[in-house]
Amino acid sequence: ETGVTQSPTHLIKTRGQQVTLRCSSQSGHNTVSWYQQALGQGPQFIFQYYREEENGRGNFPPRFSGLQFPNYSSELNVNALELDDSALYLCASSRSGGAYEQYFGPGTRLTVT
Amino acid sequence: DQQVKQNSPSLSVQEGRISILNCDYTNSMFDYFLWYKKYPAEGPTFLISISSIKDKNEDGRFTVFLNKSAKHLSLHIVPSQPGDSAVYFCAASESYNTDKLIFGTGTRLQVFP
Repeated sequence: ETGVTQSPTHLIKTRGQQVTLRCSSQSGHNTVSWYQQALGQGPQFIFQYYREEENGRGNFPPRFSGLQFPNYSSELNVNALELDDSALYLCASSRSGGAYEQYFGPGTRLTVT
Repeated sequence: DQQVKQNSPSLSVQEGRISILNCDYTNSMFDYFLWYKKYPAEGPTFLISISSIKDKNEDGRFTVFLNKSAKHLSLHIVPSQPGDSAVYFCAASESYNTDKLIFGTGTRLQVFP
């Protein structure tokens, strides 16, 4: 059984640019959640996708957007990057329902300069 | 507004002793609580959970206690082992069936020989 994978591992972007992060769900999982973890903080919920539809959103501006594909993989897109967007971005997949069933990927470290 | 708080950023414990990690929350609607462990360069890994209808849940060396009136939970690790050295996050959810988790800021546990 393949676990959750994320790409790229690290990324450096300039303020104002756009970035796309990718996540492959664990086999059999149809729900993907994205979290942002700033340095010294806990992960913060960005949004969740269930069967290709957004199914909940945290307190993040619209320039954070996402997609989920028919194979349940997912993308996180961030437009007009700001310095404060520098963080570790975590993807978690699960079967529908059950908060404890979330399996996290290793994350993508984004640095905005 | 930090709804889940871990007030101790770090804890150092000798191998074989008990480790006690604490977590406080403010949202009385939380009814499901989880602990995650995170090693460097890896995503958080689910450790143990507890529903608000219980006050204790045990799994091997790990026990979680919940005091609803005090809005406080704790994770006990007995006996502590060097491999337990990691960052521990407390997380909460308003419903067992939601994937939206609210995380604390984490406690770095170091277990020394």
